[in-house]
Amino acid sequence: SQQGEEDPQALSIQEGENATMNCSYKTSINNLQWYRQNSGRGLVHLILIRSNEREKHSGRLRVTLDTSKKSSSLLITASRAADTASYFCATDALAGGSARQLTFGSGTQLTVLP
Amino acid sequence: NAGVMQNPRHLVRRRGQEARLRCSPMKGHSHVYWYRQLPEEGLKFMVYLQKENIIDESGMPKERFSAEFPKEGPSILRIQQVVRGDSAAYFCASSFGQPANQPQHFGDGTRLSIL
Repeated sequence: SQQGEEDPQALSIQEGENATMNCSYKTSINNLQWYRQNSGRGLVHLILIRSNEREKHSGRLRVTLDTSKKSSSLLITASRAADTASYFCATDALAGGSARQLTFGSGTQLTVLP
Repeated sequence: NAGVMQNPRHLVRRRGQEARLRCSPMKGHSHVYWYRQLPEEGLKFMVYLQKENIIDESGMPKERFSAEFPKEGPSILRIQQVVRGDSAAYFCASSFGQPANQPQHFGDGTRLSIL
């Protein structure tokens, strides 16, 4: 089963509104990362939050991490049409003493309407 | 711009043929990862390599699939005797140094279609 699961699967909002996406995971992690993917393109790294951090900001992005609930959220403020993309969380899990692979969720498809 | 380069972008093969996907990591990166993505799904880890070494191939099918990252040249993901179920987008990523707490930088993928 998926380590990271995003919620909702799809989200449609108006330009200027905020978008919130959630991610839940199952095992202990070293860090959690959020990526964005435009249609037909590779993933672009957005933000990395370590297991000992609770909140992180980058421009219009705000990520929270609650390790007790094994969940994270990505907030995009003042959304723009150009934010339309799929957003994935990925966990960098501790495996055999070292983190070696990312496990991705199935993503949230965000559509920002102009 | 020395990002992660993958080629070809699109590859069409008939059942039973071989597919070779290439990935040149970002300059200075010695860690390469291959992922597979089916439509409407997230990426699934396949293999993690460093120069001349396979570090973790736990996500790689046991048969027909192989990967290498030679001392010189790009990393290669090779699929022998392709079947329809191999149709997917294959993404390569690279990172600098140890993977823990390092973001991975992705190429734009190779879309493999099996006729």
